[in-house]
Amino acid sequence: KNEVEQSPQNLTAQEGEFITINCSYSVGISALHWLQQHPGGGIVSLFMLSSGKKKHGRLIATINIQEKHSSLHITASHPRDSAVYICAVRDDKIIFGKGTRLHILP
Amino acid sequence: DADVTQTPRNRITKTGKRIMLECSQTKGHDRMYWYRQDPGLGLRLIYYSFDVKDINKGEISDGYSVSRQAQAKFSLSLESAIPNQTALYFCATSARTGFYGYTFGSGTRLTVV
Repeated sequence: KNEVEQSPQNLTAQEGEFITINCSYSVGISALHWLQQHPGGGIVSLFMLSSGKKKHGRLIATINIQEKHSSLHITASHPRDSAVYICAVRDDKIIFGKGTRLHILP
Repeated sequence: DADVTQTPRNRITKTGKRIMLECSQTKGHDRMYWYRQDPGLGLRLIYYSFDVKDINKGEISDGYSVSRQAQAKFSLSLESAIPNQTALYFCATSARTGFYGYTFGSGTRLTVV
């Protein structure tokens, strides 16, 4: 069974700081997702990646297949980035991490 | 209109009552899922369906049933609600082919009293 671990569980930072959220998993996967859950509860898919790196605006996601590790970076963080960020991996089904709660202070 | 619509958004019900949560989508996706989210536990899969004739149990299916009425509709039922089914429920869809991502509904907050 694949285990998905995210770190940190909670993160508070000042506006403008560079943010890194990490995700590790235990067995090989076909794809990894990063999701964002807003304070109101809605979930948005940010990235799906199986290798390398993807960038969308101020968000960057990387994955290292050999090390079974992915990171989500946020550059020039802003209070509107405050949310829970969830990593999910797919082997024969999708397994979700417990999420990282990010709070950006103005 | 949202791509994945869940109804109701919020519901309070009494123990023992039957309740249905509905999900409809306009994405044209074949695959639909029901998840529940509890504080500290993350999202857990209840049921999933890869097409209209295909229904599969997830990791926590006990106490729940589903119906895939059409490609676009996937309903979750609690036959006899109990308080530990109080949670946030999400419907999600994904495409069958390629490296697919998920589209989530806005969630249904269910409270069983």
